[in-house]
Amino acid sequence: KAGVTQTPRYLIKTRGQQVTLSCSPISGHRSVSWYQQTPGQGLQFLFEYFSETQRNKGNFPGRFSGRQFSNSRSEMNVSTLELGDSALYLCASSLRFGAGANVLTFGAGSRLTVL
Amino acid sequence: TQLLEQSPQFLSIQEGENLTVYCNSSSVFSSLQWYRQEPGEGPVLLVTVVTGGEVKKLKRLTFQFGDARKDSSLHITAAQPGDTGLYLCAGAVSDYKLSFGAGTTVTVRA
Repeated sequence: KAGVTQTPRYLIKTRGQQVTLSCSPISGHRSVSWYQQTPGQGLQFLFEYFSETQRNKGNFPGRFSGRQFSNSRSEMNVSTLELGDSALYLCASSLRFGAGANVLTFGAGSRLTVL
Repeated sequence: TQLLEQSPQFLSIQEGENLTVYCNSSSVFSSLQWYRQEPGEGPVLLVTVVTGGEVKKLKRLTFQFGDARKDSSLHITAAQPGDTGLYLCAGAVSDYKLSFGAGTTVTVRA
């Protein structure tokens, strides 16, 4: 079966712009989690969506937002981009809600560079 | 600060050598996962350990969960170039929160 698909894979933006990233989970998976990965910091949790509702949120500013559609596909948006937002954004899907209790399958990520 | 500290941060060894990666915390976890991430890809789950003192083997990889469920180690025997990658540990703080370490970059030279 198809894995987790993230688009776009690479993108370059300038400070102040906004960006939208997309994630299509494995068919049948209803939970989508988003993580930010930077060198030396590991994966930082952004948020988790289940059944179109945000169920959990990490410690990121309000510029980071997301949503989930009825087909479980998810998007995340970052507004007013800053240089420090440059990172690999990873999406992970699981059958049920709760990253600590379920197996996560990650996509290949979207590499965002902010100039 | 990271809830989970991984050491070493970087490890470069010759093919055939053994290596150990450590994952330590002052927090107790209900379970702990190990992932491997290759360049240009997302992390792939290798194993989940649940019980304190548990040891799991996956071919040449041996995973151990500390008795107090605060730490874990990954040992690779006779490393091969295909073992090269970023190894991440992740602890389940609760059913709803998974906390990742910063990772150990392993390079196995042929």
